[in-house]
Amino acid sequence: GIQVEQSPPDLILQEGANSTLRCNFSDSVNNLQWFHQNPWGQLINLFYIPSGTKQNGRLSATTVATERYSLLYISSSQTTDSGVYFCAVPISSGSARQLTFGSGTQLTVLP
Amino acid sequence: GAGVSQSPRYKVTKRGQDVALRCDPISGHVSLYWYRQALGQGPEFLTYFNYEAQQDKSGLPNDRFSAERPEGSISTLTIQRTEQRDSAMYRCASSLVAGRGLFFGEGSRLTVL
Repeated sequence: GIQVEQSPPDLILQEGANSTLRCNFSDSVNNLQWFHQNPWGQLINLFYIPSGTKQNGRLSATTVATERYSLLYISSSQTTDSGVYFCAVPISSGSARQLTFGSGTQLTVLP
Repeated sequence: GAGVSQSPRYKVTKRGQDVALRCDPISGHVSLYWYRQALGQGPEFLTYFNYEAQQDKSGLPNDRFSAERPEGSISTLTIQRTEQRDSAMYRCASSLVAGRGLFFGEGSRLTVL
């Protein structure tokens, strides 16, 4: 199956700082999603981004499918951004529906 | 409904008992997924449905686990003869288009004593 690696595993920021989270994957994909698990355990879909760039407020994501990586940018971070960020790609190159998740980046934003 | 609803939110059971976890997806969402998440890890795929048809159950760990979605809406994940290793957060998700834009419920936390 496709392997997913996220970096860094942990990140601590001061409020207002910017950050970049990375997701590497081992094979070409036609589906990539970013999720945020907040400190209360809710898992929220941020982006569906198999290629290209999307922006939503202070968050943006870029996927370079040919080079097998995706980046999640968080600008002007806030304490509410804290939590775990997961990227997810298909379990295998022949499937777009069953997702496998990376191990996540634990983000802590300090006030 | 407005979001994916799961029940019970918390379930504590004794080893050997059967448990049933329920998922009510977002109205109109065709695809429904079950994932399991251990503490400190990402969700792990269990099974998924398109309408009432179970399209893939390759992620179910063994034959004690089963899922159904008889009318293409509400789904039930059943674990028979629970074991301590089954303890985890069980998450349900739904999507309008298969594989895209998954919306997760708040999960059912299962503890097997």
